[in-house]
Amino acid sequence: ILNVEQSPQSLHVQEGDSTNFTCSFPSSNFYALHWYRWETAKSPEALFVMTLNGDEKKKGRISATLNTKEGYSYLYIKGSQPEDSATYLCASTTFRAGGTSYGKLTFGQGTILTVHP
Amino acid sequence: DGGITQSPKYLFRKEGQNVTLSCEQNLNHDAMYWYRQDPGQGLRLIYYSQIVNDFQKGDIAEGYSVSREKKESFPLTVTSAQKNPTAFYLCASSWQGANEQFFGPGTRLTVL
Repeated sequence: ILNVEQSPQSLHVQEGDSTNFTCSFPSSNFYALHWYRWETAKSPEALFVMTLNGDEKKKGRISATLNTKEGYSYLYIKGSQPEDSATYLCASTTFRAGGTSYGKLTFGQGTILTVHP
Repeated sequence: DGGITQSPKYLFRKEGQNVTLSCEQNLNHDAMYWYRQDPGQGLRLIYYSQIVNDFQKGDIAEGYSVSREKKESFPLTVTSAQKNPTAFYLCASSWQGANEQFFGPGTRLTVL
């Protein structure tokens, strides 16, 4: 995988449903994987930054997992609420010489989630 | 309140004119970034700066220029050489490295 890819492109769920989306990224020289939530008329906000293979992070009803060997991350939302409706972006960054990263993110195209009351 | 401001929110430009988009942050972040969003596409990096007086081209730098004379400011100039400048532009900042980025509200540029 040369680019960051997200699936599905859009998703409609009912309030109370649990849902998940996928982010695929290049696994070579991987440094970090970011998840952002972008609500309409607002700025994107960071949900998670993950670096270690097998890492799992949680914030309220939202959690994410990371597999750096195969190059994918899952974002889960438990018991979706209408206020979860947003575009969810993932982005990855790679190592530079010296073992750090420039923070140069490559973004996927996003998953648009709509939660119906 | 700490944050990132971008101005203006909407900008209209005639073809052939240069235009400068403002981005200011008071988060004391070292790194700043400019992204462009087009319908159906992810955010694409135009330019980024890790430190004052230094910046690097991103993936789509052609037709754009930047400066980083102050830590808190990273203006983006869309030149007449940019073939398709109509888009939504987002500025972001972060601590150095691959830390989470904080985004401004964006500027929607329309070329008439």
